[in-house]
Amino acid sequence: EAQVTQNPRYLITVTGKKLTVTCSQNMNHEYMSWYRQDPGLGLRQIYYSMNVEVTDKGDVPEGYKVSRKEKRNFPLILESPSPNQTSLYFCASSPLGFSYEQYFGPGTRLTVT
Amino acid sequence: RKEVEQDPGPFNVPEGATVAFNCTYSNSASQSFFWYRQDCRKEPKLLMSVYSSGNEDGRFTAQLNRASQYISLLIRDSKLSDSATYLCVVNGNTGKLIFGQGTTLQVKP
Repeated sequence: EAQVTQNPRYLITVTGKKLTVTCSQNMNHEYMSWYRQDPGLGLRQIYYSMNVEVTDKGDVPEGYKVSRKEKRNFPLILESPSPNQTSLYFCASSPLGFSYEQYFGPGTRLTVT
Repeated sequence: RKEVEQDPGPFNVPEGATVAFNCTYSNSASQSFFWYRQDCRKEPKLLMSVYSSGNEDGRFTAQLNRASQYISLLIRDSKLSDSATYLCVVNGNTGKLIFGQGTTLQVKP
């Protein structure tokens, strides 16, 4: 089944404890992206990647890191999480770029206390 | 001014009604426009791409007005299953996608 998977789906952690949210797609898509969704603010792009080893900042990259060592994986790293990073996170992929349909993962609900 | 703006609603309509949502965008260079549907904090899913000539898919019609920098979504003969949040999406600078905050639709029996 063609899909985007994210893990974990739910995470409660404490301030400063490094964490990684994994994202994997099995559709051989070039483009991958991370978003956070907050009430009243909608979905905001954190980072995106046009291809392997190519990553760029979105609108809210502060406090996050990403890597794209393989085409299928695009992990999101929070080196030192803070409470303002409590949010719903979505990973997405697209076959040819942002001009095409984005396929979203199921989301990761993160709470930082 | 936000790059993509939508009326958050909620729009409460009876079954069978016709409802329209507008979305304005600020970047005149934007080339790609979409409507996504999101159910109750689940992942967004593409509803329609929006083309310059306008496009229709069953009960849904999307239109683009470049001069006024807005896109619209028209839903005819609303169903209970249409209840969801509708997200307007526009491309920003290279590689970026900008989402509106969404318009919530509640269709009531």
